[in-house]
Amino acid sequence: GQSLEQPSEVTAVEGAIVQINCTYQTSGFYGLSWYQQHDGGAPTFLSYNALDGLEETGRFSSFLSRSDSYGYLLLQELQMKDSASYFCAVNTNAGKSTFGDGTTLTVKP
Amino acid sequence: DVKVTQSSRYLVKRTGEKVFLECVQDMDHENMFWYRQDPGLGLRLIYFSYDVKMKEKGDIPEGYSVSREKKERFSLILESASTNQTSMYLCASRDRDRAYEQYFGPGTRLTVT
Repeated sequence: GQSLEQPSEVTAVEGAIVQINCTYQTSGFYGLSWYQQHDGGAPTFLSYNALDGLEETGRFSSFLSRSDSYGYLLLQELQMKDSASYFCAVNTNAGKSTFGDGTTLTVKP
Repeated sequence: DVKVTQSSRYLVKRTGEKVFLECVQDMDHENMFWYRQDPGLGLRLIYFSYDVKMKEKGDIPEGYSVSREKKERFSLILESASTNQTSMYLCASRDRDRAYEQYFGPGTRLTVT
């Protein structure tokens, strides 16, 4: 089966940089996706890595190391509106996605 | 813009009732999913469907069934609701050629009393 680990909570101040890590164990690994979910809202897609390295999308970047079964989401120039839960999700060649339990990010002024 | 809609935002049902949760997407996506989300447990996959009339069990299918008679609609059925099925239910869809990106509906918060 699949398992993912990510920290349950992270706190940072406005303007700072925060990194949310995700380690996974899976068979048939295809790629790692990241989603953001605000309280009471639906998860929305942020970023995806299929190959090793860094993908940058504005203030958000995501990194993957397939050999280490590890990835992270990097959020720069934090804003209050970035307070949300962040989920990593492993995509497999069987077509399924397995989500981590989520990291609650609190941004303080 | 992809839109995924779910039939109810909040639902209260009694133990033993048959419950239907409906999901509709408007982007002609082949793949559709049902998850439940509980505090501290992330999103757990109940069932998914690659295409019309196709269905596959996810990680926690017990107590649930699904129906996909039309491409745009994916229904989740609780044959006999139980209190441990009280949860947030999220539907998602995706294009089969962009398998890494799912679009989620707003969710249905189901309470079984």
